[in-house]
Amino acid sequence: GEDVEQSLFLSVREGDSSVINCTYTDSSSTYLYWYKQEPGAGLQLLTYIFSNMDMKQDQRLTVLLNKKDKHLSLRIADTQTGDSAIYFCAETTPQGGKLIFGQGTELSVKP
Amino acid sequence: GAVVSQHPSRVICKSGTSVKIECRSLDFQATTMFWYRQFPKQSLMLMATSNEGSKATYEQGVEKDKFLINHASLTLSTLTVTSAHPEDSSFYICSAGPGPRLVYEQYFGPGTRLTVT
Repeated sequence: GEDVEQSLFLSVREGDSSVINCTYTDSSSTYLYWYKQEPGAGLQLLTYIFSNMDMKQDQRLTVLLNKKDKHLSLRIADTQTGDSAIYFCAETTPQGGKLIFGQGTELSVKP
Repeated sequence: GAVVSQHPSRVICKSGTSVKIECRSLDFQATTMFWYRQFPKQSLMLMATSNEGSKATYEQGVEKDKFLINHASLTLSTLTVTSAHPEDSSFYICSAGPGPRLVYEQYFGPGTRLTVT
């Protein structure tokens, strides 16, 4: 079945890089996403990667995809206190666009 | 672009009453809307998928008679929690897709906090 897993917590210092990891099981995933959720708010799409890509960079964000190992990571360069939030990875399949979410990683950025 | 709104943002109701939550795509037409439920410190649980003009498809374990979903137009879906009980208290989030740029993209509303007393 479909399953997406993430580590639950990550703490970094301001200015450092953050790397949030995610593993998934469905090899037919077509798109993989990273969403950010601030307290009491909905989800904000940060970036996505198509399954035939290895890497995507968007300003401070770098997404790496290892399709063989079904491993996805999000690197945030020069992490700021405003980056503190919960980060969800998600996958979708061709069948219906349904998103399968990981448990979310709570990123804490200390000044 | 691709803004999704939800109304209300917070609602408190008494046990036994019904509550309606609206989800609107403001600047694009959403053929599909999704309803999620999120408990504190947990991930989003998909409750149902609704396509405009047809009946919603509910996930296993979600009571369709309790959570009524209507998707009457390409910009509006509603979730009605009928005969609400305290265990229905949760954060309800909708999303709308496909987004205007990407066929599998979903845009999320800001969520509705439901508290049943």
